[in-house]
Amino acid sequence: DVKVTQSSRYLVKRTGEKVFLECVQDMDHENMFWYRQDPGLGLRLIYFSYDVKMKEKGDIPEGYSVSREKKERFSLILESASTNQTSMYLCASSLGGDNQPQHFGDGTRLSIL
Amino acid sequence: AQSVSQHNHHVILSEAASLELGCNYSYGGTVNLFWYVQYPGQHLQLLLKYFSGDPLVKGIKGFEAEFIKSKFSFNLRKPSVQWSDTAEYFCAVSRNNAGNMLTFGGGTRLMVKP
Repeated sequence: DVKVTQSSRYLVKRTGEKVFLECVQDMDHENMFWYRQDPGLGLRLIYFSYDVKMKEKGDIPEGYSVSREKKERFSLILESASTNQTSMYLCASSLGGDNQPQHFGDGTRLSIL
Repeated sequence: AQSVSQHNHHVILSEAASLELGCNYSYGGTVNLFWYVQYPGQHLQLLLKYFSGDPLVKGIKGFEAEFIKSKFSFNLRKPSVQWSDTAEYFCAVSRNNAGNMLTFGGGTRLMVKP
């Protein structure tokens, strides 16, 4: 069974801090994704990666960056955290190709004070 | 940009009632369609998916969905809900040759009263 592990379930940071969210998958998936989930807005794609060191912007990349140095690990970075980045962050992975289902982690609930 | 609309934000049903959750998308090309479910405190799980072929697809736990291309719709149905179906349901769409990127609807919170 696919396992997508996010390093923290809950995280509290201060405005202006640099924040790292880590995600690891154990199924050798090519694709990895970062979303944020907000009530009424569903999931919105921040960044995705289809290979090591490759990244593509999603719908809402502003204020975020990502890093994929190894195939199994995809990191989301908030360069200078702001209160409007308080949200639930979800990581997902999938095989390559158009119609592969994505497998999700448990999420990190991030609060920026 | 493509969009996905789920018109029902909150649905409350009694056990054994029938369920239909609406999903419409805006993209006119070839699409892949998914329904995901998020039970309280759990991660998103795939309920069912449609890529091609029979437009009526069956998923886990008695759920099914029908793709109606002319209406750009992919509605989720279940003939008789159970209390354990209480969850949030998300419709998602991807386009072919778009790197498996998903666009999600806003979600529908379903509460089933015992």
